[in-house]
Amino acid sequence: AQSVAQPEDQVNVAEGNPLTVKCTYSVSGNPYLFWYVQYPNRGLQFLLKYITGDNLVKGSYGFEAEFNKSQTSFHLKKPSALVSDSALYFCAVRGFTDKLIFGTGTRLQVFP
Amino acid sequence: EADIYQTPRYLVIGTGKKITLECSQTMGHDKMYWYQQDPGMELHLIHYSYGVNSTEKGDLSSESTVSRIRTEHFPLTLESARPSHTSQYLCASTITGGTEAFFGQGTRLTVV
Repeated sequence: AQSVAQPEDQVNVAEGNPLTVKCTYSVSGNPYLFWYVQYPNRGLQFLLKYITGDNLVKGSYGFEAEFNKSQTSFHLKKPSALVSDSALYFCAVRGFTDKLIFGTGTRLQVFP
Repeated sequence: EADIYQTPRYLVIGTGKKITLECSQTMGHDKMYWYQQDPGMELHLIHYSYGVNSTEKGDLSSESTVSRIRTEHFPLTLESARPSHTSQYLCASTITGGTEAFFGQGTRLTVV
C-alpha cells in the first residue's frame, strides 16, 4: 500500500528565514512525488514534482524539494520565506496503481 | 488556470435529500479523483476513475457513489444526505504517468 507522512501539523518561521516542510513516503516501485499548496476556500495548486532525474527539483514561487531515495523523503524548502507563503501544504505520491494519495497536510505560518 | 470545474461551490441542504456534486474537465484527462477534506485539513481519497465506465472506491469508505459515462464528467451522488456528510469535496484530474493532477475549486457541503 502507498502512503505519505507529514510529521508536522504546523511549521512556524520568521519572514526571511529558510523554511522546510517535511514529507516521507512509502510506495512500491518508483514514485511520482508532488507538492501542492492550498489557500483558504480554494482548491489545491500544484507547486512541483519529482518524476525522475535530478534529486533537487525547483517549482513555483521559489520553492524547491529534494528527493532522497534512501530516506524515502521529499522535503519542501524555500531559502527565504514570505508572509504570503502562509498556507496549507500537501505532499502527495502516485505509485504504479495511479492512485494519488496525500499526506495529512502541514500548515505553514510565516511571521513578519 | 486549470480547466476543471466543480458546481456548486457551496451547498446547504436538509437531511435526507439526494444531491449530486458536479465535476467536469475539458483537458481530456483519463484519470479523475474525488477527495473529501476534513474541516481540519486532511484529504481522503473516496473515489477514482481510470476512464469511461471505470470507477473504484478510495481509501476512505464513503456512502457516496460516482459514475463516469463520459471522459469529461465525473459526478458524485449522495442518495440521502446526513450531517456527517458535511465537508469539502474536491475533484481532480490527470493523465497516466508523471503529470500532476489539476484540482477544481471544491464544493463545500453543509447538511443540516
